[in-house]
Parts: sequence; structure tokens; C-alpha cells
Amino acid sequence: GEDVEQSLFLSVREGDSSVINCTYTDSSSTYLYWYKQEPGAGLQLLTYIFSNMDMKQDQRLTVLLNKKDKHLSLRIADTQTGDSAIYFCAEKAYSGAGSYQLTFGKGTKLSVIP
Amino acid sequence: GAGVSQSPSNKVTEKGKDVELRCDPISGHTALYWYRQSLGQGLEFLIYFQGNSAPDKSGLPSDRFSAERTGGSVSTLTIQRTQQEDSAVYLCASSLTGTGKGIGETQYFGPGTRLLVL
Repeated sequence: GEDVEQSLFLSVREGDSSVINCTYTDSSSTYLYWYKQEPGAGLQLLTYIFSNMDMKQDQRLTVLLNKKDKHLSLRIADTQTGDSAIYFCAEKAYSGAGSYQLTFGKGTKLSVIP
Repeated sequence: GAGVSQSPSNKVTEKGKDVELRCDPISGHTALYWYRQSLGQGLEFLIYFQGNSAPDKSGLPSDRFSAERTGGSVSTLTIQRTQQEDSAVYLCASSLTGTGKGIGETQYFGPGTRLLVL
């Protein structure tokens, strides 16, 4: 079955770059997502990458995908206190009977130190 | 509305009581998903609705859990005879289309309902 793993905690100083890592196991994945969950809120889609790409940049966010190693990372440049949240990696992969399902990691809690 | 909405935002109930959680998906989205997020855990898939098709109930943890989707829009998740281990955040998501492989299936989440069973 599919499994998505992330480290649980990351602490960085304001202004530094943050790198959140994720590994997945299913080679049939089509899209990989990063969601952000602020305290007391639902999940907000941050960005996604198609599985045939190796990099995607969107303002302060850079997503790197190493499909061979099944490794996904999210880099946040110039990290701000407002970036403090839990970041979830999610993989969309084939689950059988013609459907694709999302599998989420447990989330990485990013703490930004002023 | 502009996004997925859920109600109530918080619910405290006594063990053994039934609860109903509501989800309003984004207008025009045909697919609707329920997830459960327990403390320190990732998201656990519960159930998925796609148009008029039979729902995928493969994630429901017990027969105390059920869900309906009326008119292809609003959905209600019902938990009967609640137990303390049911305490969690229940998240609803919707997507434009179903569980295909394209980006149209990107899921957009509501704020969740925080359920506490005493």
C-alpha cells in the first residue's frame, strides 16, 4: 500500500530558508501536493507538482521532486512568522478500479523563531 | 460560497450521543470527501462521493459512521453512539471532478469540525 512519510518538526529562524522533506512509496503517483494547515484552520492547498516534472517554483516556494528516490521537498525562502503551520505532503496514486486516491503524510510542524 | 464550509466548527458531546456534521462543497464540484484528523496523526480517509455513483465507504472505521449527500451537494456525516476515540477534527473536501488522475481532482478543504466526546 501507499505510505507517505515526513519528519514531524522543523524549527527555523525568521529570514532563513525552510526545507520540508517527504518520501513516498507508490511509483504510480501522478500529482504530489503540499498543503498548509494553520492553527485551528483547515488545509490550504499551497502548491502541487506533476510527477513528470522535477522542479516547480512559485514565488517563495520551490518544490523539488526526485522521482527515482521518491523524494519530494518544499523549500520556503525568507521564512516569515506567518509561515508557522503544519505542512502536509500528499500523493495522488492509483488505488485500483479506475480511481486515484490521495494519501497524506502526518504533517511537519514548522516553527519560525523571530 | 467561495470555499468549502463546514458546521458546526466545534462540537462537544457526551459519550453515547449521536452527532451530525455538515459540509457544503464548492458550488459545481461533483466530488466530496470526508477525512478524520486525530491529534498528531495525518488525515484518515473516511468516505468519498462522486456525482450519483454509490459512495466509496471503504474508510469508515465502524458501522457507527455513515454519510449522506443530498442532491449532489450538501453532505452530512453522522456518528452514532459516539465514543471518546471519535474525538478528532473532521475535514470535508471537494473537487471539481472525481478520483481521476488529472489536476481537476485537486481537493479543496473546509475548516473542519472539531469534535470532542466527553
